Amino acid sequence: DQQVKQNSPSLSVQEGRISILNCDYTNSMFDYFLWYKKYPAEGPTFLISISSIKDKNEDGRFTVFLNKSAKHLSLHIVPSQPGDSAVYFCATTPYSGAGSYQLTFGKGTKLSVIP
Amino acid sequence: NAGVTQTPKFRVLKTGQSMTLLCAQDMNHEYMYWYRQDPGMGLRLIHYSVGEGTTAKGEVPDGYNVSRLKKQNFLLGLESAAPSQTSVYFCASSRDLTDTQYFGPGTRLTVL
Repeated sequence: DQQVKQNSPSLSVQEGRISILNCDYTNSMFDYFLWYKKYPAEGPTFLISISSIKDKNEDGRFTVFLNKSAKHLSLHIVPSQPGDSAVYFCATTPYSGAGSYQLTFGKGTKLSVIP
Repeated sequence: NAGVTQTPKFRVLKTGQSMTLLCAQDMNHEYMYWYRQDPGMGLRLIHYSVGEGTTAKGEVPDGYNVSRLKKQNFLLGLESAAPSQTSVYFCASSRDLTDTQYFGPGTRLTVL
C-alpha cells in the first residue's frame, strides 16, 4: 500500500506560468517532507523541504505548502522555466530530518515546461 | 569535490551471475544508502549504513549484501542476479539524520 502518492504521472505547463505538483500521504506519523528533482541520467537532487510544524516554506521560485489535516503537500513553481522540466519526487519521513534512512518516496511527476 | 560517484554506470548480467556496485563519497558523510528505482516507482531503500563498519536492512534487502569497510565507500553486492533485480540503483550519502541526502548518478543494471 502506497504511503506517499503522486497521482499525476505528468504535467505540462507553459513557460512563465505556475506549476503545481501534488503529493498525498497516509501516515500521520510523517514529520518531515521533501521534494527532489531528477533530470534524466542523473541522481535526484534536493529541492526544498518543510517540517510538520510549518505550513509553508519558500525558496526563490519554489514554495512548498503543507496541509496536515488533509495529509497533502504541494510544490509551486512560479514562474516556470524550461530548465524546470524534470521528474519531481515527493518524499517523507517520520523523523525530523532530511537524512533519515526512513525516507518514503512517491512515484514522481514528470513536469514539462513548454517554451 | 566529486560528491557521490557510482561505478559502473551500466551493466548487463546473466541470471545467476554476481557483481558488486561501488559507491564513493568525498564529503566525509557518516550515512550512506542504496536505493533501487523501478519503472513508474519511487525510490526504495535496499540497505543503509550509519557509519564505517555498520550496515542495516532497508525496505527491500533480499538478494543483496552490502559492506562499509571504509567511511567513503559503500558496496552493494548481488550474489546471484535475478531478472527481478533489473533496475536503476542509486547511492546516496548524508552528514547525519538532519542533513539532506546527496545522490549519485545511478547504475542501470539489466539482468537477462
